[in-house]
Amino acid sequence: DAGVIQSPRHEVTEMGQEVTLRCKPISGHDYLFWYRQTMMRGLELLIYFNNNVPIDDSGMPEDRFSAKMPNASFSTLKIQPSEPRDSAVYFCASTPREALSYNEQFFGPGTRLTVL
Amino acid sequence: AQSVAQPEDQVNVAEGNPLTVKCTYSVSGNPYLFWYVQYPNRGLQFLLKYITGDNLVKGSYGFEAEFNKSQTSFHLKKPSALVSDSALYFCAVRSRNSGNTPLVFGKGTRLSVIA
Repeated sequence: DAGVIQSPRHEVTEMGQEVTLRCKPISGHDYLFWYRQTMMRGLELLIYFNNNVPIDDSGMPEDRFSAKMPNASFSTLKIQPSEPRDSAVYFCASTPREALSYNEQFFGPGTRLTVL
Repeated sequence: AQSVAQPEDQVNVAEGNPLTVKCTYSVSGNPYLFWYVQYPNRGLQFLLKYITGDNLVKGSYGFEAEFNKSQTSFHLKKPSALVSDSALYFCAVRSRNSGNTPLVFGKGTRLSVIA
C-alpha cells in the first residue's frame, strides 16, 4: 500500500484566498484524522471521521475551516478565507477499525501551508 | 481527560551514548501508549506501542520503551545513539476505556545526537 497520500505537499497562497488540502487514507481504514502542527502549539487534532461521518470537530479553530469526506477514499480540509496565522503543516492520518483502541494511526507526509 | 507530558523540549546526546526521552501520561483506567518519530519534512512514523504484558517494549530502529504504571511513565530508550536518530519524538496515549477516540499526543521532544 502507498500509505496515506496528501496533496499538495506545499502550498503558498495570499491572505484571503481559499485553500483546499486533500487526503487519501489507506484503503480499508475506517477512521480519518486531520491534524495541524505549529511550533507554538505542537500537534493539534482538528477533526476526525468514522466511515465518512464527522465524529468530533471541536478542534476546528474557526468557521473558516471546514472538512468533508465524500467517500471512503478521499477527504478535504478547506480554509476560506485563509489568514497568515493558518500557516502550519497539516497532517492527515488514518487507522483501521479492528481493535481500534490499540491500533496506531498512520500519518501522511503533510502539507506545508504558507499564507502570505 | 487524557494527557501526555514530555518534560524536555530538547535532548542532546553524544553518538554512542545511551539516550532517554521522557514521557508521563494521565488517563482514567489503563492506557495504551505509543511513540512516534518525525524526521524533518516528513510525517509521523510509528515506533512502538505498549498494549499489555511485558513492561519493556521493543520497536523499530533499536528503540525500546518501559511502561511504569506506578510512575505513569513510558520513557523511550536506546542503548547507543546514532546521528541518524536526530529527530522529533512524540509520545501518545489512549485510555482503554475511551473506545474509538484519537490518540492524545505530547508536544514532542527534539533529540539531537552529536557526532
